[in-house]
Amino acid sequence: DIQMTQSPSSLSASVGDRVIITCQASQDISNYLNWYQQKPGKAPKLLIFDASNLETGVPSRFSGTGSGTDFTFTISSLQTEDLATYYCQQYNDVPPTFGPGTKVDIK
Amino acid sequence: EVQLVESGGGLVQPGGSLRLSCEVSGFTFSTYWIHWVRQAPGKGLVWVSRIKSDGSYTTYADSVKGRFTVSRDNAKNTLYLQMNSLRVEDTAVYYCGRSPSLGATLLSWGQGTRVTVST
Repeated sequence: DIQMTQSPSSLSASVGDRVIITCQASQDISNYLNWYQQKPGKAPKLLIFDASNLETGVPSRFSGTGSGTDFTFTISSLQTEDLATYYCQQYNDVPPTFGPGTKVDIK
Repeated sequence: EVQLVESGGGLVQPGGSLRLSCEVSGFTFSTYWIHWVRQAPGKGLVWVSRIKSDGSYTTYADSVKGRFTVSRDNAKNTLYLQMNSLRVEDTAVYYCGRSPSLGATLLSWGQGTRVTVST
């Protein structure tokens, strides 16, 4: 299975801050990488697909870059409603695998 | 509005069985792959299974292969997950999600149904 790692595992930032989360795959996954947001007690929600494409209706403060094994997810200006855990997920190979998540808190 | 609604979760003893359902609305069910993803308490997301739009192809995680069976009834807009020989480690919230192709880009998810395997 392809292993996904994320860094950091958690962070605390202020409203308006720029937040960056990294995700690394154990092997080349091209751009077959998605980012999901999971708010407490809720189902995950797709934010970014194919590494850098913003899902319809998702605010433009969210963005993603990368290809191969190294990926970055950015929130350009953190908002209170962004309190959540963020997961990367590869679908280059079966089984699809998720990173362990990054919990984002608001200071 | 796209909706996926899981049901069928509950408390079951180790070795027991449960059948989960995922009823959908708001989109053409028969054109989408559907996946099951689970989340153990306080843990991350783990992919479980997928089924092709017409039901002709299925894939499973090694951890559930031979114990779980995914199926669908496109006439009823409903997906099923038959879970047999349940283990304590199957305890989780189970989500269904839709993707436009075999790749697991899950465009929308249900709210989840909780399965607890315990004595």
